[in-house]
Amino acid sequence: GQNIDQPTEMTATEGAIVQINCTYQTSGFNGLFWYQQHAGEAPTFLSYNVLDGLEEKGRFSSFLSRSKGYSYLLLKELQMKDSASYLCAVRGDSWGKLQFGAGTQVVVTP
Amino acid sequence: GAVVSQHPSRVICKSGTSVKIECRSLDFQATTMFWYRQFPKQSLMLMATSNEGSKATYEQGVEKDKFLINHASLTLSTLTVTSAHPEDSSFYICSADRLGEPSTDTQYFGPGTRLTVL
Repeated sequence: GQNIDQPTEMTATEGAIVQINCTYQTSGFNGLFWYQQHAGEAPTFLSYNVLDGLEEKGRFSSFLSRSKGYSYLLLKELQMKDSASYLCAVRGDSWGKLQFGAGTQVVVTP
Repeated sequence: GAVVSQHPSRVICKSGTSVKIECRSLDFQATTMFWYRQFPKQSLMLMATSNEGSKATYEQGVEKDKFLINHASLTLSTLTVTSAHPEDSSFYICSADRLGEPSTDTQYFGPGTRLTVL
């Protein structure tokens, strides 16, 4: 079957770094996405990986290892506004469908 | 950046009525749009894939006669919840793949529609 796993919740202090891991088992692979979602709002796109390696975009970086079925999202210099749910999603075929993990709630404390 | 809109943003209706939700891509054409449902503190669950000019593809367990999808143009898809019941109360979100950019691979989400069925 298809499975995308990520931790339920993580807590970190302002200014710190947090790494959110995501492991996946899907039929086919055409890219992995990370989205941020604040409560009551739609997801906003953060990053996309289709090749192995690290993609850096400002304070956010995302890493992918296709052979291990593993990705992580790294959030640096945490700010209070980063408190949100972070969703890992895999595109398993070429039709664009995304399968989402359950999301990781990140809580940033002062 | 690309923008996807949804209307209405919030709707409250009586049990047994039908509700139509519109999803529009504002500055790009989308041959494919997706409809998701999200219950509180849960992740997004794909309901169906909406294809312009053809029938929608529904995920397993989603009733196609209850959730009617129409993708009449390259910029508009509609989801109609027919004979809504309280258990249909949820956050409905659409998304769209930008035409001609499969390698860019950004799926743009609408702001969502909060449906409450009394």
